[in-house]
Amino acid sequence: QVHLVQSGAEVKKPGASLKVSCKASGYTFTSSYIHWVRQAPGQGLEWMGIINPDGGTTAYAQKFQGRVTMTRDTSSNTVYMEVRSLRSDDTAVFYCVREPAHGACNFDYWGQGTLVTVSS
Amino acid sequence: EIVLTQSPGTLSLSPGERATLSCRASQTVTTTSLAWYQQKPGQAPRLLIYAASRRATGIPDRFSGSGSGTDFTLTISRLEPEDYAVYYCQQYDTSSKYTFGQGTKLEIE
Repeated sequence: QVHLVQSGAEVKKPGASLKVSCKASGYTFTSSYIHWVRQAPGQGLEWMGIINPDGGTTAYAQKFQGRVTMTRDTSSNTVYMEVRSLRSDDTAVFYCVREPAHGACNFDYWGQGTLVTVSS
Repeated sequence: EIVLTQSPGTLSLSPGERATLSCRASQTVTTTSLAWYQQKPGQAPRLLIYAASRRATGIPDRFSGSGSGTDFTLTISRLEPEDYAVYYCQQYDTSSKYTFGQGTKLEIE
């Protein structure tokens, strides 16, 4: 059974950095892309970026380029997302999600979400 | 960038009725790149439909997807109490990457 288990909720001050983890299990870690999607309170879904665990290549949505870094650790089947220079409008639930096969263009498994609150 | 516009914003229907949700794209979307998700309060979204018309694993057959080009539809043939949720469409293209519609809230009438 595929599982994506994320790290717990965080409270950060504006200007701080955040690192969220996503541990995958139940499938071959390097066979599926992992994406990050965020959802501000009461709002819709926003794609942030993608990492290929096989090799570590990444691509980010334009609005997050330069402020977000995604990495992976194949020894622990874990993906990380770092967000720098946090602002109050970064307050959101962050989800890691799996793209089941290269080129599938959809997300079949979602982590439970990590609530991040940015407040002074 | 491809923008997905969902309509209506809110749909009020009774159990047993048929629900028709629309997702319109600002440019042509590849059929294989269009998906639908269901999100209930406090939960992560769940994949319902991928490649515009294929049901994801474990999704009941009362859910169906159709459409091509710029117009796509999610249909729920007979609403069950557990179907009341927010529904999102999502697409991929090489320029915009991954984008979501703003969602349709399906509520009990």
